[in-house]
Amino acid sequence: DAGVIQSPRHEVTEMGQEVTLRCKPISGHDYLFWYRQTMMRGLELLIYFNNNVPIDDSGMPEDRFSAKMPNASFSTLKIQPSEPRDSAVYFCASSLDRSSYEQYFGPGTRLTVT
Amino acid sequence: GENVEQHPSTLSVQEGDSAVIKCTYSDSASNYFPWYKQELGKRPQLIIDIRSNVGEKKDQRIAVTLNKTAKHFSLHITETQPEDSAVYFCAPGGGRFNNDMRFGAGTRLTVKP
Repeated sequence: DAGVIQSPRHEVTEMGQEVTLRCKPISGHDYLFWYRQTMMRGLELLIYFNNNVPIDDSGMPEDRFSAKMPNASFSTLKIQPSEPRDSAVYFCASSLDRSSYEQYFGPGTRLTVT
Repeated sequence: GENVEQHPSTLSVQEGDSAVIKCTYSDSASNYFPWYKQELGKRPQLIIDIRSNVGEKKDQRIAVTLNKTAKHFSLHITETQPEDSAVYFCAPGGGRFNNDMRFGAGTRLTVKP
């Protein structure tokens, strides 16, 4: 298995533009997580899915952020409109179980909003 | 939700010395206690984990110890090497809160050669 795949690896965009981050989890994993990492706030859980259904989105910062998982092998995190404070590394992770099994992280997407 | 604290936030040791990082948590129902290592510019990766029915687990130079009564667990690295330099995160889970996969703030370990 290739592991968790994320694209793009780097994204530079201007304030106000829409940004879409993509993730392909490991086949057979029922849980998918989106995290945001910054120096100031550390590693924050934004949202997680179980069998393609969003379970907890309490970490999503505001309405500008949305996430979908249309099928078991694909998820997107969208920011519209983007702001400079959204600049961060966004990780996607998947696991067999919600919280009691290893989470496998993707390589991350480094987002810079100017 | 789960409150997770790591101490210290930074740790600098001489190569060959031991390093210990402590993680405290609030949810007494937590039953899974992992440690992740994140090297600079890389993704977090699991290095060791323990479940609540075990008090200690060792894997070569790293070990994790658990004190469920006091609600804390610790990462122990012996004979540290420069390649151990990284940020280490704890992420206690399996508890009662929906969003209980909360990562600690991280401990930056520097091993000086």
